[in-house]
Order: sequence, then structure tokens, then C-alpha cells
Amino acid sequence: QQPVQSPQAVILREGEDAVINCSSSKALYSVHWYRQKHGEAPVFLMILLKGGEQKGHEKISASFNEKKQQSSLYLTASQLSYSGTYFCGTGYSGGSNYKLTFGKGTLLTVNP
Amino acid sequence: SAVISQKPSRDICQRGTSLTIQCQVDSQVTMMFWYRQQPGQSLTLIATANQGSEATYESGFVIDKFPISRPNLTFSTLTVSNMSPEDSSIYLCSAWTGWTEAFFGQGTRLTVV
Repeated sequence: QQPVQSPQAVILREGEDAVINCSSSKALYSVHWYRQKHGEAPVFLMILLKGGEQKGHEKISASFNEKKQQSSLYLTASQLSYSGTYFCGTGYSGGSNYKLTFGKGTLLTVNP
Repeated sequence: SAVISQKPSRDICQRGTSLTIQCQVDSQVTMMFWYRQQPGQSLTLIATANQGSEATYESGFVIDKFPISRPNLTFSTLTVSNMSPEDSSIYLCSAWTGWTEAFFGQGTRLTVV
């Protein structure tokens, strides 16, 4: 079950905020967030394991709402370096919860 | 944090031949995976590379086409066998250090002609 990411694309001016959502139709065990720049490998941002868990990484943070089966990535005071495609990868409760299914990605463009 | 070295970074191969991609991690990791990514698309899991045993393949991927080895906790190979133009893609290895961090290699851009 591929998670659904929204929005598909977002354009920001430097300093603006953005939220990227990742929703699943199945119960989630974990959520991974990655950023990938064109022509490069995905770069790991964070893993969220528990329902309600929140994590922060400089001005990038994320939450995991287990009941709603979704996670959100928050980018505050965006910088030019934040541009790229953001992917969520979801692991599902039961069975092989370590296997990730990736969403289609959200293309974030930060302009000066 | 772990560093993953993947090689080759790119290759152009003749149809019908095979290519082996290597993935070396600079520290022991718990899990290693192989993904495929078409340019501009999402990542598709090919298989989980199990240390000392046969890999676990996802639906649509078979061992005869994508044999995988993982002889120890830091190294894995993926072979793309009997290649056709449809196998042209970017292949990425990924490694997890428990449930705290996860990393990707730089990818292998494969073109089959």
C-alpha cells in the first residue's frame, strides 16, 4: 500500500514555511523521511516510530499521528538548500514492518 | 553515521549481459536493501539482503533476474542478469543502523542498449 503524499509540489520563497503530509490506508509502524536532490541519492532526515512522536532536525521537524495513520513534515523558515523532492517511506504494523513503501514524493522549490 | 560506497556509479551495458553492483558500508548495519528508481519517480524495493542467507524478494522481482549476496554485515551485491532495455534505471542500496538511522548509496545509473 503506497502512502499518499500531499501536496505533489510546492513553491516557496526563502523564509516561508511548508508542510508535507504522508497518509496511509493501513496501520503504520514507522515513517521515514528523505530529501532527494536532482541526480543525487536520497538523504535521510528522520525516523518516527511511535504514535504521537515528534522529532526535529534544525528547522525541519515531523510528527506521527498513529491514529490518523499519517505523518507530517514541517519546514520552517525555508532555505534555498531545502529544495528537492521529499519522500516518506512507511513501514506497516505486523509482518515485515521494516520494509518501506515510498510515496510518490513532493517536489519543493525554494526561490530567493 | 554510516557511509555507503556503491559502485559502479554508472554503466552502459549490452542487452543480454549481466552487471554486478557492489555496496560497501563502513560499519556494521542491521538491514540492507536494494531499490530501483526511474528518473523522476519513487523508489521501489527489489529485495532485502539477508546476511548469510537468501534475499527476500518483493513481488515482481525474482532471484534468477536479480541475484543478491550479502556475505557479511557490511557488504552486499546485486546482479542484474540477462539485461534488456527495460532494466535501464537507477539502482540504490540502502542500509539501516537499527531503528535510528538509514542511508542510501549514491546509486548506479544503468543504461541497457
